[in-house]
This record gives sequence, structure tokens and C-alpha cells, in this order.
Amino acid sequence: DTAVSQTPKYLVTQMGNDKSIKCEQNLGHDTMYWYKQDSKKFLKIMFSYNNKELIINETVPNRFSPKSPDKAHLNLHINSLELGDSAVYFCASSPGQRIFGYTFGSGTRLTVV
Amino acid sequence: GEDVEQSLFLSVREGDSSVINCTYTDSSSTYLYWYKQEPGAGLQLLTYIFSNMDMKQDQRLTVLLNKKDKHLSLRIADTQTGDSAIYFCAESMGAAGNKLTFGGGTRVLVKP
Repeated sequence: DTAVSQTPKYLVTQMGNDKSIKCEQNLGHDTMYWYKQDSKKFLKIMFSYNNKELIINETVPNRFSPKSPDKAHLNLHINSLELGDSAVYFCASSPGQRIFGYTFGSGTRLTVV
Repeated sequence: GEDVEQSLFLSVREGDSSVINCTYTDSSSTYLYWYKQEPGAGLQLLTYIFSNMDMKQDQRLTVLLNKKDKHLSLRIADTQTGDSAIYFCAESMGAAGNKLTFGGGTRVLVKP
């Protein structure tokens, strides 16, 4: 059983489109995250949710809207996709306020053409 | 502010030891981590160290922390070809939100 699963694994789309990436964790964790890894491998947090509430929003353009229908799911919707949005997006989860136990998904490679 | 830096690349022969270095600027960092990323895969936590520790050893891995110099290192003993990957150091402050701040990653290439 995959602990943190993301779909799709690969996503190729045209500029201006709207797309969503889904994430689900079956670890019973309270906190979920989205990280972005650019082409130079730099990893940076985008959002964090704790029990469905947004607790971190790292100056991400408002074209990016996370949604957490329940604490096991954190989806990422991106409007009006731009070339610069091309990256690998990683979902992760952790058991509440404890730092260790962070588990990452295998990533979604988004390519905007 | 938060800043974590690593060298970009390390080449090592199989069987030798690898040492990957990392510097950070935030003196309030509570936890420091090493993650491994293999091609096309997610991040795997290798080890972590609390800021009140100087050293931690876990099988082939040894983490050294110099708080005064804000320097973290990861030593891999008897490096194997399967250790070829990108290694990220990361820090967090243990505050609400559990945000990890990553370095840029060190690409390790193990030559037979």
C-alpha cells in the first residue's frame, strides 16, 4: 500500500489550461504539504494544511489553490498555467506537530508547453 | 532569514567514504535532516539530528553538526553504486506548520 500517493505521475498541458493534482495519504497523518521542485532541483514548500486548515502559504501566486476535503486528501488546482509552472510537485504528510515522520509522495512532473 | 547551501556535485569511488557538506543560516533551527532522492523518485528520509546533538551514527551514515559554524555533514562509509543519488539537507524549527527548508541538493556519483 502506497503511503502518500499522487495522481497523475506525469502531466503535459498547454499554457492557459487549468489542471489539478490529487494527493491522498493513508498514514493517518494530520498535516499535509505541497512542495515544488524546479528544474535545478530546488525544493520549496508551497502550502501546508493541518486537519483541513491552511497553515502555511508561501507567497504562491493565487493561480494555485489547494483544497483539503478531509485530512487524508490535499489537492492542488492550478489555473491559467504558465511555462514557469513546469516542475515536479511533491505532496507530503507528517503526524501533526512532530517533524520526523514526514513522508513524501513520488511526485507529479508537470510540463507546460 | 532561512538559507541552506550545499555543494552541487560529489564524485567518489566505490568503497571509499563520501562526505556531503551543508551550511545553514538560521540559528533557531531545531532539527536538521538528510534526504536522498533517486532519479524519478520522491524523497527518502535518511537520518535527522536534533540541534542539541553533535553527532549521530546510523549504520554506514554519520551525521556531524557544528552549531557554532552552522555546518552539517553526512558521511557515508563504504559508498556503494546504489548510493548514487541527490542528497538534500534540510532544516526546520519545530514550530507550527512543520516547514522544511531544503538546500539545493548534492548530486553524488559513485564510480565502480
